[in-house]
Amino acid sequence: GAGVSQSPSNKVTEKGKDVELRCDPISGHTALYWYRQSLGQGLEFLIYFQGNSAPDKSGLPSDRFSAERTGGSVSTLTIQRTQQEDSAVYLCASSLVVGGGDEQYFGPGTRLTVT
Amino acid sequence: GQNIDQPTEMTATEGAIVQINCTYQTSGFNGLFWYQQHAGEAPTFLSYNVLDGLEEKGRFSSFLSRSKGYSYLLLKELQMKDSASYLCAVRDDGGGSYIPTFGRGTSLIVHP
Repeated sequence: GAGVSQSPSNKVTEKGKDVELRCDPISGHTALYWYRQSLGQGLEFLIYFQGNSAPDKSGLPSDRFSAERTGGSVSTLTIQRTQQEDSAVYLCASSLVVGGGDEQYFGPGTRLTVT
Repeated sequence: GQNIDQPTEMTATEGAIVQINCTYQTSGFNGLFWYQQHAGEAPTFLSYNVLDGLEEKGRFSSFLSRSKGYSYLLLKELQMKDSASYLCAVRDDGGGSYIPTFGRGTSLIVHP
């Protein structure tokens, strides 16, 4: 079956504009994660969805960042009034179960460049 | 919170063995993951350890010592395609959070 997909693969935007990044997780995976990765840095956790529970937003860096997950499947990460420091690769991952050795399956990422 | 430490970069020769270390400090512990990430690609799962000891999977093995807050990834019979970044990730067991925290990764360069 298909893996995790993300769109767009690349996004260049002007400072101050809003952007939306999309993630399609693997069908049946209940957990969905958003991370961002800057050059030479590790994966920085942003937000986590698990089933119908309230999302864990503890990693969002500011109130310009928000995310939603519709119907327990597709997720959209929105960045409002983008800043240059938002430039990074945004990775989405999903996993089948929570806890235990639930490996995360990552999408190819969206490379965001804010000019 | 968690502190995860791994070397930034390592080099090794094709056919050799390399060990990538990861140390961590966490208030609780609920598993350690290793992922491989080739340049420009998504991370892919390599291994999971939750109990002390060695987990072997083909050319790759991962070891965990919970008392020492220490893990290593062992790569045998290195191939050029093993050149990649290797990410250590630790999951805390506090507060019902199942979110692994990732280290900065170790960039492994395999040369002929």
